[in-house]
Amino acid sequence: AQTVTQSQPEMSVQEAETVTLSCTYDTSENNYYLFWYKQPPSRQMILVIRQEAYKQQNATENRFSVNFQKAAKSFSLKISDSQLGDTAMYFCAFMKHWYSGNTPLVFGKGTRLSVIA
Amino acid sequence: DARVTQTPRHKVTEMGQEVTMRCQPILGHNTVFWYRQTMMQGLELLAYFRNRAPLDDSGMPKDRFSAEMPDATLATLKIQPSEPRDSAVYFCASGFEGSNQPQHFGDGTRLSIL
Repeated sequence: AQTVTQSQPEMSVQEAETVTLSCTYDTSENNYYLFWYKQPPSRQMILVIRQEAYKQQNATENRFSVNFQKAAKSFSLKISDSQLGDTAMYFCAFMKHWYSGNTPLVFGKGTRLSVIA
Repeated sequence: DARVTQTPRHKVTEMGQEVTMRCQPILGHNTVFWYRQTMMQGLELLAYFRNRAPLDDSGMPKDRFSAEMPDATLATLKIQPSEPRDSAVYFCASGFEGSNQPQHFGDGTRLSIL
């Protein structure tokens, strides 16, 4: 079974600064996907970024980037130029590769990020 | 944009009452997931379906919870009888088998059992 661990329950960052959220996972799979989801107070689950395990290159989406270390089973999220709208819960999630079928996500417990003006 | 639609958005009811939550997956998606979110447990899988057949419902308390897909456009999650510990946000998500795209989530049903 897969597990996902987010060791930082809460974090805060000054507006315009950079923050990194940590995530580690455990799996015996070789091919899989990793995701970061954002959940604002509206409780929507918003996909921020995804990484395919067989790709060496770290994914980036505008101000969001990841540091994917497959051997270490680490998948951190970096948010640059933090904005007040980034305030939310952030969840790290794991999914088996699609050839296993569109399978359930396994989530970490989340990190509550507060961006301070 | 295609969306997963969940109803109701909020539900408050008394202990012992039956609760039914509904989900309309995105047209063409053949896999439907039910997740529950609580402060203590975080987001956990309750059940999921592919082509309307249940694949895994091991996360669901069988004595009071039931999940069905009467047709491809409707998934239901029922609790009978409801208990205060069932208070949570219930998310439905849908996806397509064989796709490398992540699941799409509905906005969730916030359930409060008094």
